[in-house]
Amino acid sequence: DQQVKQNSPSLSVQEGRISILNCDYTNSMFDYFLWYKKYPAEGPTFLISISSIKDKNEDGRFTVFLNKSAKHLSLHIVPSQPGDSAVYFCAASSSGTSYGKLTFGQGTILTVHP
Amino acid sequence: DTGVSQNPRHKITKRGQNVTFRCDPISEHNRLYWYRQTLGQGPEFLTYFQNEAQLEKSRLLSDRFSAERPKGSFSTLEIQRTEQGDSAMYLCASSKRQGGQETQYFGPGTRLLVL
Repeated sequence: DQQVKQNSPSLSVQEGRISILNCDYTNSMFDYFLWYKKYPAEGPTFLISISSIKDKNEDGRFTVFLNKSAKHLSLHIVPSQPGDSAVYFCAASSSGTSYGKLTFGQGTILTVHP
Repeated sequence: DTGVSQNPRHKITKRGQNVTFRCDPISEHNRLYWYRQTLGQGPEFLTYFQNEAQLEKSRLLSDRFSAERPKGSFSTLEIQRTEQGDSAMYLCASSKRQGGQETQYFGPGTRLLVL
C-alpha cells in the first residue's frame, strides 16, 4: 500500500523556468510533510516542510503548497537552476503516533537544462 | 561538521557473512532512525530509537537484523547471514522534536552489496 505517491518519475525543465513537483497521499492522519533532495551516492538533504495547519510555506526559491482536501502537495522551484538537478522525494509523518516515522514517495528525477 | 555521519560508506560482502554499520547522529538529537533504500524507491523505515530505547521496528526488519543505541548516542545496525536481497543503501537520520513537529536530517548512507 503506497501511502505517498509521486506519479511523475521524471521532469525536465529549462534553466530559469519554474519546476513543479507533485505528490499525493492517502493517509488522512499525515499532518506534516517534507521535501528532500538527493544526489547520487548521498543521503537525502532536507529542503522545506509544511504543517497541515498551513497551505503554503516559502523558503527562497522553494515554495510548498498543501491541498488537504485533495491530499495533494507540490513543490515549486523558481527560478530553476542546473544545480537543482537531483531526485526529489516527498515524505509525510503523523503526530498522532509517538514518533516521526517518515513515509516517502518513490521520487521524481528533476533535470534542469542550461 | 556537525551533521549525521555513517561508516562505512560502502561495504561489499559475500552472502552469509555478517556486517555492521555505524551511525553518529547530530549531537543534541535524541531521536535516531534507520531507513533502507533500494534502486528506484524512496527510503523505507526500518527502526527508531528515542535515546537508548528502541521503540519501533518495521516488519521489513527480519530477525537477521538488529540495531542498538547503547548510550543514546551512536547506533549500530547489524545484518547477520546476509542475503543478496539485503543489497541496498542504508540510511540513518536523527532529529529533535520541536514545537510538535520534527525534521529528520540524514547521513550520507552506507551502500551494501551482497555478492
